[in-house]
Order: sequence, then structure tokens, then C-alpha cells
Amino acid sequence: SQTIHQWPATLVQPVGSPLSLECTVEGTSNPNLYWYRQAAGRGLQLLFYSVGIGQISSEVPQNLSASRPQDRQFILSSKKLLLSDSGFYLCAWRGPADTQYFGPGTRLTVL
Amino acid sequence: GENVEQHPSTLSVQEGDSAVIKCTYSDSASNYFPWYKQELGKGPQLIIDIRSNVGEKKDQRIAVTLNKTAKHFSLHITETQPEDSAVYFCAATLSNTGNQFYFGTGTSLTVIP
Repeated sequence: SQTIHQWPATLVQPVGSPLSLECTVEGTSNPNLYWYRQAAGRGLQLLFYSVGIGQISSEVPQNLSASRPQDRQFILSSKKLLLSDSGFYLCAWRGPADTQYFGPGTRLTVL
Repeated sequence: GENVEQHPSTLSVQEGDSAVIKCTYSDSASNYFPWYKQELGKGPQLIIDIRSNVGEKKDQRIAVTLNKTAKHFSLHITETQPEDSAVYFCAATLSNTGNQFYFGTGTSLTVIP
């Protein structure tokens, strides 16, 4: 069966520090991968999605970037965090049957 | 692009009553409509989905209906229980593509014991 992992689960970072969040998927190949951000009490904002290795589409201009170095690995990065980057970051994958599955999320607090 | 609207934003029901959440979409090409349940501090979990070639789908106490002509779909939860309390999101997408999912803004459901 398919499993999606995210780490770390929680992260507290100072403003201006770098960021690296990792997402990996097990039990499937060539998935579509997605990064979402969810502000407190708000909906899901799509940040990036990828249909293959090295293929990244950005939905929202920001100081974040994404990379897909391996088929089942998706990384969200920033060189300098802003206060507004705080939120709940969710990775998701989409399989051949269209269904999108979410990971457990990373709670990021920027102080 | 696609636009999904979801209502109501908050919903309180007595335990045992039914709850209905409604979504509308704008792109008639969308053909896959999932519903997610998100508990506090967790990632959204798929609870039911429907494709455009079907008008209704049921799974125990949960059902989803789709009206393609009116471009709206609804989630129905019967015999609600306190553990149904969560935020529910609807979504729309075009299947078999690399297209993104378009999500509603969420409904916070509270089931009062």
C-alpha cells in the first residue's frame, strides 16, 4: 500500500533562516506530487506541483522553492524565511486513479 | 480556471441529526469530485469521491450527490456522531491529467452531543 511521509512534524525557525521540508512517497511510482500551505483556520493554498523528476510548476509567487530530485521525493525550501511563511505545510500525491492523498503535515512557526 | 465555492463555512448539528455541505464549481470539464475530512493538526483524509458519470454514491453514513447540469455537488452525513466533528473540504479536478485540484474553503462541522 502507498504511504506518504513528511518531516519534520513541527519546526520553529527564526526570521531570515533557511528552510527545508521533505516529503517521500512509498508504494507507487511516478506520482504527481503537490505542496500546499494552510494558514490557521484557513483553506488549502497550492504552492507547487510536479508531474515528474525535475518538473516543477509554481502556483504562487513567493520566497519558497520546490525540487524533485527523485521520483518519490519532493522538497520545499526557502533561503530566508518570512513571518508570513508560518503555517501548516502539506504534501500530497496523486495516483493513476486520480485520488489525492495527503501526508501528515509539518507545522512551521517563524518567529 | 476552475472556481469551487463551499457552503456553509460553519455548521453545528445535534448528535443523530443529518448534515449537508454544498459545493459549486465553474468548469464544466471537471469530472472528479472528492471530499476530505481534516481533524485538528492532521492532514486531510479522503472520505468519499464521485465521478461525473455517476449521480450519487454512498458509503455507510456518508453520501455524495452530483448535479452536472447545475454544476454542484453535496456531502450528506446521516446519524451524525461527535467524531464527525472536523473541517470538511470539497474539491474538483479533471481526471487523468497533471492538473491541480481546486478546493473549497472548508466547512467546520461541530456535532453537539
